[in-house]
Amino acid sequence: EVLLLESGGKLVPPGGSLRLSCAASGFTFSTHAMSWVRQAPGRGLEWVSTISSGGGSTYYADSVKGRLTVSRDNSKDTLYLQMNTLRPEDTAVYYCAKGSTWYLVDWGQGTLVTVSS
Amino acid sequence: DIQMTQSPSSVSASLGDRVTINCRASQDISTWLAWYQQKPGKAPKLLIYAASTLQFGVPSRFSGSGSGTDFSLTISSLQPEDFATYYCQQAHSFPPAFGGGTKVEIK
Repeated sequence: EVLLLESGGKLVPPGGSLRLSCAASGFTFSTHAMSWVRQAPGRGLEWVSTISSGGGSTYYADSVKGRLTVSRDNSKDTLYLQMNTLRPEDTAVYYCAKGSTWYLVDWGQGTLVTVSS
Repeated sequence: DIQMTQSPSSVSASLGDRVTINCRASQDISTWLAWYQQKPGKAPKLLIYAASTLQFGVPSRFSGSGSGTDFSLTISSLQPEDFATYYCQQAHSFPPAFGGGTKVEIK
């Protein structure tokens, strides 16, 4: 069974930083692209970032480019999202998802990031 | 960038009803389209990919159709567990984009 467990979400002030983690199990992590998708309270889904299976290619939404950085440690089966210069509009539940091409096949339960003073 | 537009934004239906949700892409995406179901407080779940292929374990009352720019998701006979919000997503090219969602509510 595929399991994706996000952690690291919390309340941070505007301009602050945070690192989210996503621990994966139940599949061969190193052979799958992984993505982050977020959902602001009461809003729809927004794709944030994707990283290739080996980590050599990364992709970002324009809204987060230059502030959020995706990475992975295939030896630890873990995906990360480093979030810098956070803004109130970054407030959302952040989901990690296992991908196949651009399809998002399996999702974690999400972790809430709140950016507020 | 490809934009995805869903309609309606919400639909009220009764148990046993046939429900159809529409999704339009701003340019040709062939059949590179997915449908997701999301229940309140839960993560989205992949229902259909490649416009019409059911993900393993998804009930056969769900079906998807379309190609090019116009797509639809149909629930043939609405069940209690189907009340949720549904999203389409284009998987044709970067950046992947979701539609705004369609909430299926109880009439």
